[in-house]
Amino acid sequence: GNSVTQMEGPVTLSEEAFLTINCTYTATGYPSLFWYVQYPGEGLQLLLKATKADDKGSNKGFEATYRKETTSFHLEKGSVQVSDSAVYFCALSDHTGTASKLTFGTGTRLQVTL
Amino acid sequence: GAVVSQHPSWVICKSGTSVKIECRSLDFQATTMFWYRQFPKQSLMLMATSNEGSKATYEQGVEKDKFLINHASLTLSTLTVTSAHPEDSSFYICSASFPLGSYEQYFGPGTRLTVT
Repeated sequence: GNSVTQMEGPVTLSEEAFLTINCTYTATGYPSLFWYVQYPGEGLQLLLKATKADDKGSNKGFEATYRKETTSFHLEKGSVQVSDSAVYFCALSDHTGTASKLTFGTGTRLQVTL
Repeated sequence: GAVVSQHPSWVICKSGTSVKIECRSLDFQATTMFWYRQFPKQSLMLMATSNEGSKATYEQGVEKDKFLINHASLTLSTLTVTSAHPEDSSFYICSASFPLGSYEQYFGPGTRLTVT
């Protein structure tokens, strides 16, 4: 079956530090890959996505590249802000059936301090 | 665009009672809606998938008779937790997708249920 593995958190960084959150996946075929962000007390928001190999998703300074050879989709940001503090979820969708189910990783909590 | 709302945002109920959570797609017609459950500091667990006008498909281990899902229209799905118990306390999140078979889901803000 499908699975998504994320690095365990929490990750604590100082403001303006470089961020990497690792994500690897196992899936049949060619899934689409996503990063979602969840701010405290809120639902999930789509941060970025990539639908095929070598695609780079980007949004709000965050980037992730779909690497089929390493089955990875690591999230990066060059300079984090306190407002980036949230839980980040890596997810995949395998496009099977009539409804494409999402498989989520366990989430990585990011805490950015001044 | 692609806004999904949930109501209520939080609810407290007594053990043994039932509670209904609504999920609405505000500016699009959702061919498929999903219901997730999230435990504190954990990932989302898919409970069921529903297409408008048909019965929901429940994931393994989810009690159909306890978690009743109705998707009566293209903009509304409801989750009813029947005879709730404290272990049902959780954060329930819905999402919606369109068109049929789309890989992208739009999430509601979630409903926190506390059963006392």
